[in-house]
Amino acid sequence: KQEVTQIPAALSVPEGENLVLNCSFTDSAIYNLQWFRQDPGKGLTSLLLIQSSQREQTSGRLNASLDKSSGRSTLYIAASQPGDSATYLCAVIFSGTYKYIFGTGTRLKVLA
Amino acid sequence: SAVISQKPSRDICQRGTSLTIQCQVDSQVTMMFWYRQQPGQSLTLIATANQGSEATYESGFVIDKFPISRPNLTFSTLTVSNMSPEDSSIYLCSVGTANNIQETQYFGPGTRLLVL
Repeated sequence: KQEVTQIPAALSVPEGENLVLNCSFTDSAIYNLQWFRQDPGKGLTSLLLIQSSQREQTSGRLNASLDKSSGRSTLYIAASQPGDSATYLCAVIFSGTYKYIFGTGTRLKVLA
Repeated sequence: SAVISQKPSRDICQRGTSLTIQCQVDSQVTMMFWYRQQPGQSLTLIATANQGSEATYESGFVIDKFPISRPNLTFSTLTVSNMSPEDSSIYLCSVGTANNIQETQYFGPGTRLLVL
């Protein structure tokens, strides 16, 4: 069964810390992996999209890496800020399909 | 990229009633999807809205409960029928670009539904 798992489920850090969110998936044959941010009661905001042929993507303080062979992706957030507090979702399109399978999310709280 | 709007953005409904959610895209897209996010849960795909044919439903979701329309390449509706409190969720529309559905998908802002 194709599944996506995120660890930890929740994370609380002081402002200014660098942090890493983890995403693992059960099948290395993927089309792409995308990281999203979701604020409480809101829709999704796309953060970074990594195609199957890529190893990482960067946007501002965010860096996402992809290691297909081990079935893992990490989202690195540098110099965290209270405004980064949200739920971060990882989603994968597995090869042979067209739909995203979502992870369970990591709920991040950055303390001022 | 695609810009997606959903109506309504939120609603409070009574048990036993139905609500139709609209999804509008600013460009023609190959595929449109409807997801549900129950409180405290991640997103689950309900169905793929097919233009000109019946929607394709995922396991656990049926047409009688979630009828879907897709009259053209830029618009779709999802109806939540005979609602119960368990239907309280955020419902999100997403679309795939015309050329390569696996490249990326874009998500709408969501419709937040509370059923009393």
